[in-house]
Amino acid sequence: AQSVTQLDSQVPVFEEAPVELRCNYSSSVSVYLFWYVQYPNQGLQLLLKYLSGSTLVKGINGFEAEFNKSQTSFHLRKPSVHISDTAEYFCAVSRGNTGKLIFGQGTTLQVKP
Amino acid sequence: GAVVSQHPSRVICKSGTSVKIECRSLDFQATTMFWYRQFPKKSLMLMATSNEGSKATYEQGVEKDKFLINHASLTLSTLTVTSAHPEDSSFYICSATGDRDYGYTFGSGTRLTVV
Repeated sequence: AQSVTQLDSQVPVFEEAPVELRCNYSSSVSVYLFWYVQYPNQGLQLLLKYLSGSTLVKGINGFEAEFNKSQTSFHLRKPSVHISDTAEYFCAVSRGNTGKLIFGQGTTLQVKP
Repeated sequence: GAVVSQHPSRVICKSGTSVKIECRSLDFQATTMFWYRQFPKKSLMLMATSNEGSKATYEQGVEKDKFLINHASLTLSTLTVTSAHPEDSSFYICSATGDRDYGYTFGSGTRLTVV
């Protein structure tokens, strides 16, 4: 069975500083990996996804993530955050292209002025 | 890009009544839709997988008689919470996939409050 661990429940950071949100997964089979962002009382918006190929994945809003198979990690990074990046971020894993996503517990990114 | 519409965004109902939530794929055919439940400040829990024209597959611990799912067309899936109780109050989100390129697109969610 797959599982996802987001190592930080809250990450406070100042505006224009870099940020990394950590995600580790466990699975005995090949997986697809995703990062989603959720603003209050809204659904989830896909930031980026890793299906295959290059391990460095670039997404929307300046975010990127790197798939590290040996460390079973898929950390999300942004070199300079904005106030508008304040939101809940979820890492998720899918077993192949089944569409069934297993989510981490989420990380609250708090960007301070 | 792929768009999934979820309706209503908020609903308040009395205990014992039923509520229907709709999930529509607006610009693609969704062969599979998924229903998730999210508790306050918690992650999303997959409730069921809905395939067009067949019975939904429920995750362990989810009551199929309480959470009725219908996927009658390639663009619409509905979740009906039957005989709702206050403990059913939650944020319900659907997602849809029809093609690998689309990935998994989520609706905007429905906040259900049972009073």
